[in-house]
Amino acid sequence: DGGITQSPKYLFRKEGQNVTLSCEQNLNHDAMYWYRQDPGQGLRLIYYSQIVNDFQKGDIAEGYSVSREKKESFPLTVTSAQKNPTAFYLCASSIAGTGVRELFFGEGSRLTVL
Amino acid sequence: DAKTTQPNSMESNEEEPVHLPCNHSTISGTDYIHWYRQLPSQGPEYVIHGLTSNVNNRMASLAIAEDRKSSTLILHRATLRDAAVYYCILRSELPGYSTLTFGKGTMLLVSP
Repeated sequence: DGGITQSPKYLFRKEGQNVTLSCEQNLNHDAMYWYRQDPGQGLRLIYYSQIVNDFQKGDIAEGYSVSREKKESFPLTVTSAQKNPTAFYLCASSIAGTGVRELFFGEGSRLTVL
Repeated sequence: DAKTTQPNSMESNEEEPVHLPCNHSTISGTDYIHWYRQLPSQGPEYVIHGLTSNVNNRMASLAIAEDRKSSTLILHRATLRDAAVYYCILRSELPGYSTLTFGKGTMLLVSP
């Protein structure tokens, strides 16, 4: 079945450590996105990528980094510079270009920094 | 993207219809209205979208006001599995790229 796989589902880290969240899709989508969700809040865009080897900052990119070396993969690193990293992280993908583009989401990764 | 306003929460009984409102008074002519829903501890999933005309699919119906300043997502018979947060989102389809901005949405509670 086609879809988006995020791993790990749950992750605990000590303060000051970098953490990398994996996102893989087999939908052949060009565009991929990372969102952050805090309890009781909506989703905020961290980074997005429309094509391999290119990505743009979203609304809250500070303290995060991404890479897009392959079409299928868009890993997110939460660095020690992110002041409040505990959150639910969601990866999504879509076809690129103009027109209505449905977003497909993974099941999320819940990061807790102790 | 233009802003949307939704109630924080709504309640319904199982097997009754549910009407989830969304106000978007600053909508522009090129903005599509999208609805997504998010079940607990999962990623959001697409529900429906429209531009001017009412839309139906297997999940729901979307009723769009004539002046497009509001819309209503209609679940014809709520089930317990419809308990989720529902997001109403506007996105311009002008050339160039725009992302989806998710607000807090409406939390739908469904009682047996």
